[in-house]
Amino acid sequence: NAGVTQTPKFQVLKTGQSMTLQCAQDMNHEYMSWYRQDPGMGLRLIHYSVGAGITDQGEVPNGYNVSRSTTEDFPLRLLSAAPSQTSVYFCASSYWRSGRGEQYFGPGTRLTVT
Amino acid sequence: AQKVTQAQTEISVVEKEDVTLDCVYETRDTTYYLFWYKQPPSGELVFLIRRNSFDEQNEISGRYSWNFQKSTSSFNFTITASQVVDSAVYFCALTSGGGADGLTFGKGTHLIIQP
Repeated sequence: NAGVTQTPKFQVLKTGQSMTLQCAQDMNHEYMSWYRQDPGMGLRLIHYSVGAGITDQGEVPNGYNVSRSTTEDFPLRLLSAAPSQTSVYFCASSYWRSGRGEQYFGPGTRLTVT
Repeated sequence: AQKVTQAQTEISVVEKEDVTLDCVYETRDTTYYLFWYKQPPSGELVFLIRRNSFDEQNEISGRYSWNFQKSTSSFNFTITASQVVDSAVYFCALTSGGGADGLTFGKGTHLIIQP
């Protein structure tokens, strides 16, 4: 199993550009989520999904869109990048649909918006 | 609302010393789950332990141990005989209620083990 994979590992964007961060898991997990990590802030939840076709907002959803067309994939879209979105982004998945189980994290994407 | 507080921003100890990382949580739910994750310098997040609110037994795994005390809303993590490879940022996290709305993380404790 590859676990949770994320692409790209690094990305630099200019203000106003759009892009999609890719996330995939091969563990047949129902629950998937996106977090951002900022210095001194811990991780904060952006969006989550409890299964294909179902998504919901987390603590910091503004500026981000998600969709879940398959169990395996959960892409995160930045519609119009802003410097405040400079962060490290982690995708995670969990066997427990409720999200109560341990979450397996991808390696992260480091995004810089200039 | 729920909250996780890791008051120790950074701890530095000499190798082989024991070290305890503190975690205090707040939640109004009676059912909740607590986690510890390790983030080494390479940046990935490694799951260490999950504990539910109905299980107050302490846990030991090798040099790692966890002390869960509901009376003080704490879930502390102790590393015995620390090693340089233990150097990392450690996060405590909480999910409660239905759980689907993800983990609430503390801000992390940066642990430095000096040789």
